[in-house]
Amino acid sequence: AQSVAQPEDQVNVAEGNPLTVKCTYSVSGNPYLFWYVQYPNRGLQFLLKYITGDNLVKGSYGFEAEFNKSQTSFHLKKPSALVSDSALYFCAVRDKAGTASKLTFGTGTRLQVTL
Amino acid sequence: DAGVIQSPRHEVTEMGQEVTLRCKPISGHNSLFWYRQTMMRGLELLIYFNNNVPIDDSGMPEDRFSAKMPNASFSTLKIQPSEPRDSAVYFCASSLGQAINSPLHFGNGTRLTVT
Repeated sequence: AQSVAQPEDQVNVAEGNPLTVKCTYSVSGNPYLFWYVQYPNRGLQFLLKYITGDNLVKGSYGFEAEFNKSQTSFHLKKPSALVSDSALYFCAVRDKAGTASKLTFGTGTRLQVTL
Repeated sequence: DAGVIQSPRHEVTEMGQEVTLRCKPISGHNSLFWYRQTMMRGLELLIYFNNNVPIDDSGMPEDRFSAKMPNASFSTLKIQPSEPRDSAVYFCASSLGQAINSPLHFGNGTRLTVT
């Protein structure tokens, strides 16, 4: 069974500093990895995905994520955080293609960026 | 593109009443997902459809829950009878096909409160 873990419930960072939100995964086959962001009273929004190719994936709003197969990790990063980045971030993994394809979400990490 | 549209945004009902949540997916998307979000359990996949056909309903908590997709542009999630433990935010999401790298597009959710 596929699973994803986000070890930190909350990450605090000062505006302008780099941020990292951690994610590790477990799948039986090749991982297909995603990051989503949720703002208050809104649905989740897609940020970026890793399917294959370069281990560093760039996404929306200046975010990027690094796929590390040996560590089974897919950490979300941003070089310079903004207060407006404060939100709930979800890592997700998809395993099999076809009719059994499902997306498994982590428990979420709340990012708080302060001035 | 109007995005995924859910109605109502908020629903307050008494225990034992029937509740119907509605979803209009993005035009052209042929996969539709219903999720439930609570503080205790995070995001749970309840059911997903492909081409209007239910593919996996293993996440539906019990027989009180049912979902339908009569056509490509409309889906409902019904709870009958409702119970206080059903209180949660229910999200509908759609995607283009079942391609493993297709991101989900979420609606803004329906916040259900059962008293």
